[in-house]
Amino acid sequence: EPEVTQTPSHQVTQMGQEVILRCVPISNHLYFYWYRQILGQKVEFLVSFYNNEISEKSEIFDDQFSVERPDGSNFTLKIRSTKLEDSAMYFCASSVTLLAGGLLFGPGTRLTVT
Amino acid sequence: QKEVEQNSGPLSVPEGAIASLNCTYSDRGSQSFFWYRQYSGKSPELIMFIYSNGDKEDGRFTAQLNKASQYVSLLIRDSQPSDSATYLCAVNRRMTGNQFYFGTGTSLTVIP
Repeated sequence: EPEVTQTPSHQVTQMGQEVILRCVPISNHLYFYWYRQILGQKVEFLVSFYNNEISEKSEIFDDQFSVERPDGSNFTLKIRSTKLEDSAMYFCASSVTLLAGGLLFGPGTRLTVT
Repeated sequence: QKEVEQNSGPLSVPEGAIASLNCTYSDRGSQSFFWYRQYSGKSPELIMFIYSNGDKEDGRFTAQLNKASQYVSLLIRDSQPSDSATYLCAVNRRMTGNQFYFGTGTSLTVIP
C-alpha cells in the first residue's frame, strides 16, 4: 500500500540553525501539507501546497518557514533559524483531491531544538 | 472560539463495549469530516470520513454526522484493547481553503 515517507525520523539542532525536513508524498496525490504537533497538543496546520505553489498557510508559517518541491517526488520544509518553540513533531501529509478521502500522514520527524 | 472541539477524556470502556466519541465544530460551511486514530508517538491514521448527514458504517466503526447540530460522532463497537489510542476529529472547510482543522483529541482506554 502506498505511503508517505519522511526523513529524518529525529533531528536535533541548536537554536538559530537551519533545518530541512523531507517528505515523499504518495505519487498520485495532488495536495501536500505540513502539520506540526507540539508534545501533548493538537495537530496544527502549517501550509498546503498545490500545483507547485503554496495554496494556504497559517499564522505559524512565518518568514522563517519555506516549502519546496524541488523535483517530482520530494516535498521539503525548511526552517531558517530554529527557535526552542519549534520543537515538535512535524508531519507531512498528502491527499488525492481537495475534500475527498482525507489526509494521509507520514510517520513524522521529531525536531528537537536545544 | 475553537474550530473543532472534543472532550479530551480520558474515556475508559471495558473490552467488548461500545465506545462513543463526540466532536462539535464551529463553522456551518464545513463540508468534510474525518476521524483519525493516533497512537502515542505515532502519526494520525485515517479511520473514516463522512460528508452527508446520517450514519456511515465501516466494520466496527460508525461515523454519525448531524450538520444542523454541527456534531460528528464515532462509535466503536466490540471495543478491543488495541483500540486504545487518541481519536482526532478533523474538519475541512472548503470556503476558507483546504485546511483541515483538528480537535485536541479524545483519549480512549479499552480495559481488558
